[in-house]
Formats: sequence, structure tokens, C-alpha cells
Amino acid sequence: EIVLTQSPATLSLSPGERATLSCRASQSVSSYLAWYQQKPGQAPRLLIYDASNRATGIPARFSGSGSGTDFTLTISSLEPEDFAVYYCQQRSNSGTFGQGTKVEIK
Amino acid sequence: EVQLVQSGAEVKKPGESLRISCKGSGYSFTSYWISWVRQMPGKGLEWMGRIDPSDSYTNYSPSFQGHVTISADKSISTAYLQWSSLKASDTAMYYCARRTRGYMDVWGKGTTVTVSS
Repeated sequence: EIVLTQSPATLSLSPGERATLSCRASQSVSSYLAWYQQKPGQAPRLLIYDASNRATGIPARFSGSGSGTDFTLTISSLEPEDFAVYYCQQRSNSGTFGQGTKVEIK
Repeated sequence: EVQLVQSGAEVKKPGESLRISCKGSGYSFTSYWISWVRQMPGKGLEWMGRIDPSDSYTNYSPSFQGHVTISADKSISTAYLQWSSLKASDTAMYYCARRTRGYMDVWGKGTTVTVSS
């Protein structure tokens, strides 16, 4: 089973700053990786699929990159509504998630 | 509007059985797989398994195989997640989600399951 490891566990930043989140796979997943955002009390929301494609309605400040085993989600300038937990997920047979990165207000 | 509507919160005792539901609308229900995802209190997301509503083919995460059953009734555009004997450790929020290109693009609001004696 493919294991996804996210880092850091928590990212403390201020609005307007750049956020860089990492997701590393235990073996290559090609470009088959997604990122989700979850706010407290809400269901997750798909942000990025196939490593770098924004889902419908997702603002341009969210971008994804990477392939193989190393992936990055970048939020270019944090808005107040971006403080949340972010998960990566690979789309192989098992569809496992990473453990999440919490982006909190500094 | 494409949406998945999940059944309401449940409170059960250990050993009881339970089936929760997820009804799709606004799209062709048989054209997309449905996945189920568990989130234990204060924890991350865990993929449990998925079903193809067109023929009810399923596959499960090894962590959940044998512990839950996923099914679907395409005539009423509804997927199900069921337990035959609940444990306290099944206490969690359960989400259903539509699978598009391998990813979960539409999510239900979740069903809270509480198992307590």
C-alpha cells in the first residue's frame, strides 16, 4: 500500500504570506495526486487534481506541482479563509490520504 | 445542482447493526463511483472503500475489509455503508464522495455515528 507523508504537520503563517505544503509518496504515483482543503465542521473540498490542475472554482492563488514521489501545494498569498487543514491523496487502487497539514494563523 | 445527501446522525450501542445512506442527485448516478471516507474525532481522513453503482462492484481498503459492507441501489441513486456489529471504535464522521478521474470531487456533508453503551 502506498503511504503518503505530509510535512510540516502545522504551518503557522500570517495572512498575505506564502504557504508551501509538501506531500511525499512511498513509491511513485506518477502525477496522480490530489489536494483537498477541510475547514472545521465541513466536508473536504477538492482543490487540485493530477498534481497541478485546479478543480472547478478554485482560486488561482492555489497551485500544485510535482510528480513521482514529491509534490507541493502552494498558496501564493494566504487569505483569511485559507486557514484550514490540507490533505493529499493518491488515486491508485487504495486512494490513501496523507495525515494532513494544518495551516494556522500566526 | 450535483449533490450527495447523507442520512442523519446515529447513536448506537456496541453490537448493534447500522446502515447509513448517501443519495446522489443532479447527475447520472451510475456513471461515477462512490467512495466512503472515515474521519475519527480530531483525526485525518481514511479511505474505506468504493462502489461502482452501475454493477455494485466494490473494493475496500485492507483496513476496512471485512468490517463494513458497501452497497448501492441504482434504482434510487443511493449508496450505503453498513456494519453488522458496531464497536466503540466505529465512532466517527463518515463521508460519501463522488469519484471523478480517481479523485473525490463532490462530497456529502457527512454522517456522525456515535457508538456508546
